[in-house]
Amino acid sequence: KNQVEQSPQSLIILEGKNCTLQCNYTVSPFSNLRWYKQDTGRGPVSLTIMTFSENTKSNGRYTATLDADTKQSSLHITASQLSDSASYICVVSPPMDSSYKLIFGSGTRLLVRP
Amino acid sequence: DTEVTQTPKHLVMGMTNKKSLKCEQHMGHRAMYWYKQKAKKPPELMFVYSYEKLSINESVPSRFSPECPNSSLLNLHLHALQPEDSALYLCASSPNRAGANYGYTFGSGTRLTVV
Repeated sequence: KNQVEQSPQSLIILEGKNCTLQCNYTVSPFSNLRWYKQDTGRGPVSLTIMTFSENTKSNGRYTATLDADTKQSSLHITASQLSDSASYICVVSPPMDSSYKLIFGSGTRLLVRP
Repeated sequence: DTEVTQTPKHLVMGMTNKKSLKCEQHMGHRAMYWYKQKAKKPPELMFVYSYEKLSINESVPSRFSPECPNSSLLNLHLHALQPEDSALYLCASSPNRAGANYGYTFGSGTRLTVV
């Protein structure tokens, strides 16, 4: 079982609509949880980073939330644009000094249609 | 400069060729990483360099040979690759080796095709 699971695997929405992507994790504790956007064939770009104790973090139209009790994070995209079409990856960082490895989810592929 | 620069962006090579991928950062980061990413899969860690020394090799075949000539530069030398090695190769850097680093930054990747 993956330590970081994302849903849905893929999502199609119309331009201008909102959407929410989910990330469930079993890694606990952790140092931080990140959401990345990855365009096809390009490297991941960081959208938000939250520590274990934070509940929400915004970056423009992107808002990430974190519920440490249920071990869930979500990424909410507001007023979607065609350029939001990409894969969105949830990544958990282990506690400081415990491991060098980031733990990646498999991503949600988002397609925004006109 | 807050970027990790990878060259080339695309590379096509034959199975008998020798080629190199290059990665450069000028953020003063002392940890650098190579990842391999297949289509629709998350990145898989290959190598970790910490203070210019190879720190981690995730059981990568010897046809992949990393090199860190200085604190800003990371190379990946390729020799006798197989078609299944075709993938997006990502470089990343962070202030140090701890996975929790806020400054963890990925490059744009090199799309490698082995024919």
